[in-house]
Amino acid sequence: DAKTTQPNSMESNEEEPVHLPCNHSTISGTDYIHWYRQLPSQGPEYVIHGLTSNVNNRMASLAIAEDRKSSTLILHRATLRDAAVYYCILRSGGATNKLIFGTGTLLAVQP
Amino acid sequence: GAVVSQHPSRVICKSGTSVKIECRSLDFQATTMFWYRQFPKQSLMLMATSNEGSKATYEQGVEKDKFLINHASLTLSTLTVTSAHPEDSSFYICSAGQGSSGYTFGSGTRLTVV
Repeated sequence: DAKTTQPNSMESNEEEPVHLPCNHSTISGTDYIHWYRQLPSQGPEYVIHGLTSNVNNRMASLAIAEDRKSSTLILHRATLRDAAVYYCILRSGGATNKLIFGTGTLLAVQP
Repeated sequence: GAVVSQHPSRVICKSGTSVKIECRSLDFQATTMFWYRQFPKQSLMLMATSNEGSKATYEQGVEKDKFLINHASLTLSTLTVTSAHPEDSSFYICSAGQGSSGYTFGSGTRLTVV
């Protein structure tokens, strides 16, 4: 499984944008870039995913580098409810392909 | 959106007994579901892939006779922790997905073995 590298922790202030980086230099052409987040004592929650182009949804934006060796999850206005562990995961296409979690980035949001 | 229901949310059992955890896809069919375990302050560790109508695929180092997985229908997978011991105390989470979209996770089961 291709590996991802994320900072262990980041801090942000409420209502400011947050850019969460992820390096995945060994990504293959069929790997999708997925982001999930996990609040304490809950199951992970899907945030966004993409293959080559930048993606936007109601939760966040995903910016993918042209060579696909890195990506950035963008939370446009952080709220206290965004404090969580964010996981960047590479996954091959198809419903049967497993997700292997790394250590993720613990995001703290200050009021 | 897709919903995965996991039950129970918390369970306490005595050492040596067995515990069954259920994972249901409520509004979609899932031929494949995944089971994870998470210890405090650690990431999720994939235990096994549950396949409807066939045997589960276990990750290396996971005892298949201890963690029994049954995926009898397209909407239900169960994980049974047999002869539980205190070291099996953990947060167990299931997930399922559709196509190449994101996976949906259950809310998790906190197992405490006393």
